Amino acid sequence: QSALTQPASVSGSPGQSITISCTGTSSDIGTYNRVSWYQQHPGRVPKLLIYDVSDRPSGISDRFSGSKSVNTASLTISGLQAEDEADYFCSSQRIGSILLFGGGTKLTVL
Amino acid sequence: EVQLLESGGGVAQPGGSLRLSCGASGFSFSTYAMSWVRQAPGKGLEWVSAISNYGTGTYYADSVKGRFTISRDNSKNTLYLQMNGLRAEDTAVYYCAKAFDSSGWRYERAFDFWGQGTMVTVSS
Repeated sequence: QSALTQPASVSGSPGQSITISCTGTSSDIGTYNRVSWYQQHPGRVPKLLIYDVSDRPSGISDRFSGSKSVNTASLTISGLQAEDEADYFCSSQRIGSILLFGGGTKLTVL
Repeated sequence: EVQLLESGGGVAQPGGSLRLSCGASGFSFSTYAMSWVRQAPGKGLEWVSAISNYGTGTYYADSVKGRFTISRDNSKNTLYLQMNGLRAEDTAVYYCAKAFDSSGWRYERAFDFWGQGTMVTVSS
């Protein structure tokens, strides 16, 4: 199964907003509203940021938001902070009871 | 507090076998689907397998289908992954992950808790 496509890296300055894209197909993101996003700091385990495209679990800052258009999902981080520097992964359900992850995006806070 | 603790990782030869375990505590284990997700060194996440809350449904990535078997023992609050026919490309940290959804079978929705992972190295 091919992974979802994410940019390898993005960067932004403190206070700015950045958006990470996650491109799939009509067999996954285009069909299901089961897109989730995870943050992973080096040497740490992934942390759930967004589920069901745009919902935040309890305790997650509203600086993190998610959206979807056709076959592409997006994670936006507003008011960028130094602690946001990490790897970000998207995930989506795919036809056939398959779960896909994106290749990951490294966020650098300048 | 939800805790997931993996064990059983190590070094195996190509074609060999390993059995991973994941002990769970702090939540009603039999209510939730569970999954294994792996991460090769310096690489991204890859979903490996999932199992429904009572074990009646099991699901696998194409890359491991026919070689790996997921199972669970709700009386012991433990998840397992039997890995046979190991290949070099199976080398990774293997994470046990709890489904966010409390339906018992919707593992694909999201994972809200992850274990610390156990390293599996396949090498001759």
